[in-house]
Amino acid sequence: TQLLEQSPQFLSIQEGENLTVYCNSSSVFSSLQWYRQEPGEGPVLLVTVVTGGEVKKLKRLTFQFGDARKDSSLHITAAQPGDTGLYLCAGDPNAGKSTFGDGTTLTVKP
Amino acid sequence: DSGVTQTPKHLITATGQRVTLRCSPRSGDLSVYWYQQSLDQGLQFLIQYYNGEERAKGNILERFSAQQFPDLHSELNLSSLELGDSALYFCASSIGQSNYEQYFGPGTRLTVT
Repeated sequence: TQLLEQSPQFLSIQEGENLTVYCNSSSVFSSLQWYRQEPGEGPVLLVTVVTGGEVKKLKRLTFQFGDARKDSSLHITAAQPGDTGLYLCAGDPNAGKSTFGDGTTLTVKP
Repeated sequence: DSGVTQTPKHLITATGQRVTLRCSPRSGDLSVYWYQQSLDQGLQFLIQYYNGEERAKGNILERFSAQQFPDLHSELNLSSLELGDSALYFCASSIGQSNYEQYFGPGTRLTVT
């Protein structure tokens, strides 16, 4: 059983569309991180959310941490081809074992 | 550039062999993490070291071992290699013991033939 469930697994959209991807768990996290990974490269940290209900914005990306700190979402406004990549959420719910979701593969077509 | 370096970038070896992957963390980071990423298994946490000591263990096989040296660089040793060990191996580093905000290296692509 995956501790962090991400959905959808794959998403293909046209440039200019909006989208939301989700990261859900039954466990409480002290924080969650979002990363973006391009093929053959290491994940790049985008943001950390810490407080329940917290909203953080990074240009056209909006990240939200659930009130109960069990889930998070990433919303992209007016997606661009440069947003294409694998989006991963990660956290550490217990025993110091770093956990990553399986990710959402986003393709933005020009 | 994350500041984390990994060598080699590519490694091709035969089954049964042993290899060593090397990682240098960002300047000032005390924690090093190792991950395996296969096409069908996502990013799997292997092990974490903090300031030279093992801090957490994930799904690391007994054939695999790691260590962190006094200068904080780390090595991941993979022995008795099998075809299924072919994967991307990433190293990441962070400032403290907790797993907030990890910075990843470019990875080592291991191919076992």
